[in-house]
Amino acid sequence: EDKVVQSPLSLVVHEGDTVTLNCSYEVTNFRSLLWYKQEKKAPTFLFMLTSSGIEKKSGRLSSILDKKELFSILNITATQTGDSAIYLCAVVPRGFGNEKLTFGTGTRLTIIP
Amino acid sequence: NAGVTQTPKFRILKIGQSMTLQCAQDMNHNYMYWYRQDPGMGLKLIYYSVGAGITDKGEVPNGYNVSRSTTEDFPLRLELAAPSQTSVYFCASGGTTGANVLTFGAGSRLTVL
Repeated sequence: EDKVVQSPLSLVVHEGDTVTLNCSYEVTNFRSLLWYKQEKKAPTFLFMLTSSGIEKKSGRLSSILDKKELFSILNITATQTGDSAIYLCAVVPRGFGNEKLTFGTGTRLTIIP
Repeated sequence: NAGVTQTPKFRILKIGQSMTLQCAQDMNHNYMYWYRQDPGMGLKLIYYSVGAGITDKGEVPNGYNVSRSTTEDFPLRLELAAPSQTSVYFCASGGTTGANVLTFGAGSRLTVL
């Protein structure tokens, strides 16, 4: 059974700090890893990673995948209160689509002004 | 562009009652999904559909039913509600293949008392 473990479960930092969120996974024949941001309502897509060592970047957020060690990290620099959310990591096995998407429990990030 | 629209946002049911959660998307996506999210747990797939007239079970289908008569609509039916179905339900759609990034609705919080 595919498995996604996120750490830490919860993180509280001050505005301006840099944070690193972790996602480790076990999946048969890895296809892709996705990061979503969930504020009060719907999860919204951040990144899709398929290749090791290639950083994806969007503004202050960046993510990288290590397929050898089976993990990904999501970095947020110069955090703002709007970054407060639950960050979800999910993996998809090769040969399948979203019907086999396995989500982690998420990391709850709180930014204190 | 509304994306994925879910109704109702909140609902309280008594044990044994039935109800339907509505989901509609206006992106002409073939793939649609229903997830539930329990506190401290990852999103779990209930049912999914690859197109009008085609549905299939996900990881946690017991106690639910779905139909897909049109591309746009994917209602989730709860028969004989039980306290274990207290959760937040998310509908999502995923484009024309099964591996597209998901677009989620805002969620429906259901409480069964």
